[in-house]
Amino acid sequence: EAQVTQNPRYLITVTGKKLTVTCSQNMNHEYMSWYRQDPGLGLRQIYYSMNVEVTDKGDVPEGYKVSRKEKRNFPLILESPSPNQTSLYFCASSSGGLYNEQFFGPGTRLTVL
Amino acid sequence: QQPVQSPQAVILREGEDAVINCSSSKALYSVHWYRQKHGEAPVFLMILLKGGEQKGHEKISASFNEKKQQSSLYLTASQLSYSGTYFCGTPKGGGTSYGKLTFGQGTILTVHP
Repeated sequence: EAQVTQNPRYLITVTGKKLTVTCSQNMNHEYMSWYRQDPGLGLRQIYYSMNVEVTDKGDVPEGYKVSRKEKRNFPLILESPSPNQTSLYFCASSSGGLYNEQFFGPGTRLTVL
Repeated sequence: QQPVQSPQAVILREGEDAVINCSSSKALYSVHWYRQKHGEAPVFLMILLKGGEQKGHEKISASFNEKKQQSSLYLTASQLSYSGTYFCGTPKGGGTSYGKLTFGQGTILTVHP
């Protein structure tokens, strides 16, 4: 089944404790993104990757890092999480091209205390 | 810059119609529409391209006015399953998106029996 998976789905952590949220897709997509969703603000792009080893900042990259060492994986790293990073996070992938439908993962709800 | 959606919320009874609008301050090459049901990930509905091409999964219609930099999503004869939050997305920089989308703040649609 074509899908995007994220782990963990729920995470409660404390300020400053490094964490990684994994994202994996099995559709051989070149493009992958991370979004955060906050009430009233919609989906805001954090980082974006066009292919292996190629990443670019989105609209809200501060406090986040990403890496794309393999085509299927695109982990999101919070080196020193803060309470304002409490949010719902979605990973998405797409094949690019003219239509570029994005497939979203199930989401990760992160709480930073 | 984030596209602006209107209205912010709509409440309908089954069978009624609704229109959701999406406006951008930039010239648009394409507009994407997604629906997110409560507690789930956003799911692709439709993409409209400059020049009139479109691709969608469901019996939902939409329009794209390039000159006005607007798109409208038409939900006719609404069903309970239409309930959710609808997002429009536009390519950053106004060109083809290749995964780099900026989403509106969302429109919450509630359909009652």
